[in-house]
Amino acid sequence: GESVGLHLPTLSVQEGDNSIINCAYSNSASDYFIWYKQESGKGPQFIIDIRSNMDKRQGQRVTVLLNKTVKHLSLQIAATQPGDSAVYFCAEQDSGGYQKVTFGTGTKLQVIP
Amino acid sequence: EAGVTQFPSHSVIEKGQTVTLRCDPISGHDNLYWYRRVMGKEIKFLLHFVKESKQDESGMPNNRFLAERTGGTYSTLKVQPAELEDSGVYFCASSLGVEGFYEQYFGPGTRLTVT
Repeated sequence: GESVGLHLPTLSVQEGDNSIINCAYSNSASDYFIWYKQESGKGPQFIIDIRSNMDKRQGQRVTVLLNKTVKHLSLQIAATQPGDSAVYFCAEQDSGGYQKVTFGTGTKLQVIP
Repeated sequence: EAGVTQFPSHSVIEKGQTVTLRCDPISGHDNLYWYRRVMGKEIKFLLHFVKESKQDESGMPNNRFLAERTGGTYSTLKVQPAELEDSGVYFCASSLGVEGFYEQYFGPGTRLTVT
C-alpha cells in the first residue's frame, strides 16, 4: 500500500557536524511533504515543507531535498546542536478538503556533545 | 497564543473500561484531527473534523471509538470498551484552513495505557 518510510531508525551525529535524514515514499502522486520534529513528551512540530513542484527548500539551518524520480526526501540540518536531538518524521499531507497527514516511522537523531 | 491542549496527559485504565480524551484546538481553527501512535508503529490518522462535522473518519479502527466535536470547539475521543491494543499515544492537531495546505499544530498527546 501507499507508505512513507524511513531508511534508518537512529542517527548519531557529533555536535557541529551536519545531519542528513533520509526518507522514501511510495505514492508517486504525493504532492506535499513535511518534516516534523518530535521531542520527548511533546507532539510533532512542523519544521519545513516542500511541494512536489520543487526540488529544494531551505529554512533556518534546515534544507529539504526532494527527488521525485526515485521518490526520496532528505532533511539536512546544518551545524547540528544538542537541541536538535529528537525523533524526525517525514510525512505526506493530502490536499484539498482532506488534509490527513501520513507519517513515516521516524528517525531518532542523537547529538553527541 | 495558547497551543493545542490535551487532557489528560496520561491515563491508565483496565481492559473493558471506558476512557474519554479531550482536545482543545487553537482558537479559531476550524479543522481538528486525531492521530495515534501505538507501540512500535508510526503515527496514524484517525479522523478529521471541520467545525462540528466529520470530514474524514477513514482511520477510526472500529466502533469502540467515538469522536465528537459539539459546537465546533473542543473534541472528545471516547474508547469504550478499551482493549489492550488501544494502548498508545493519542495526538490531536488543529489547522486554520482546508483548501490548499495548512500547517497542523499538534498537542502534546495523551498517553493511554490499558492493562
